[in-house]
Amino acid sequence: NAGVTQTPKFQVLKTGQSMTLQCAQDMNHNSMYWYRQDPGMGLRLIYYSASEGTTDKGEVPNGYNVSRLNKREFSLRLESAAPSQTSVYFCASSLSPVNQPQHFGVGTRLSIL
Amino acid sequence: QKEVEQDPGPLSVPEGAIVSLNCTYSNSAFQYFMWYRQYSRKGPELLMYTYSSGNKEDGRFTAQVDKSSKYISLFIRDSQPSDSATYLCAMKKNSGTYKYIFGTGTRLKVLA
Repeated sequence: NAGVTQTPKFQVLKTGQSMTLQCAQDMNHNSMYWYRQDPGMGLRLIYYSASEGTTDKGEVPNGYNVSRLNKREFSLRLESAAPSQTSVYFCASSLSPVNQPQHFGVGTRLSIL
Repeated sequence: QKEVEQDPGPLSVPEGAIVSLNCTYSNSAFQYFMWYRQYSRKGPELLMYTYSSGNKEDGRFTAQVDKSSKYISLFIRDSQPSDSATYLCAMKKNSGTYKYIFGTGTRLKVLA
């Protein structure tokens, strides 16, 4: 039972490069989320998808875009990476966005030089 | 002022001790409360999930919510070295938003 799978686990980019972080869940969850985790800042929501076909901005959406490809997959794209986007990125999913807890992947460690 | 406050620790305890981890919050609209455990270089793992006030027990873990004081706690009985991790609290309003607010985490070390 894989749960939430994120790829890649590690990535180093140069400023200005683009990349897409992939996330897939096999729990038949309706809602999916992207967070970033920085020291002393806690987890901050970047974007979320309450259900297939919808996406909405979270707390820190600038510099990112997302695609809910289907019910299982939710990708996060950095169009032009900046050093401020160096962080650990977590994908999460939940059965419902309203009153169900979120389950997290193992994270992607991203460094922007 | 942050909506959710959590002491970063580290909190060091001997094996077998009872551990108390706490979060305070400022928004009385929070109704759902969660505790996550995060091992180093891993994703957060859901430990406890409670709605509104009261206690919830699961094995060695007890979650307690005191809405009148805007205070939640996680108790770990008979702590083990394998409990050494960072513990995150999270909370959410009942309606109107899908946003979870996370604490910054408390780092726990259980010494053998």
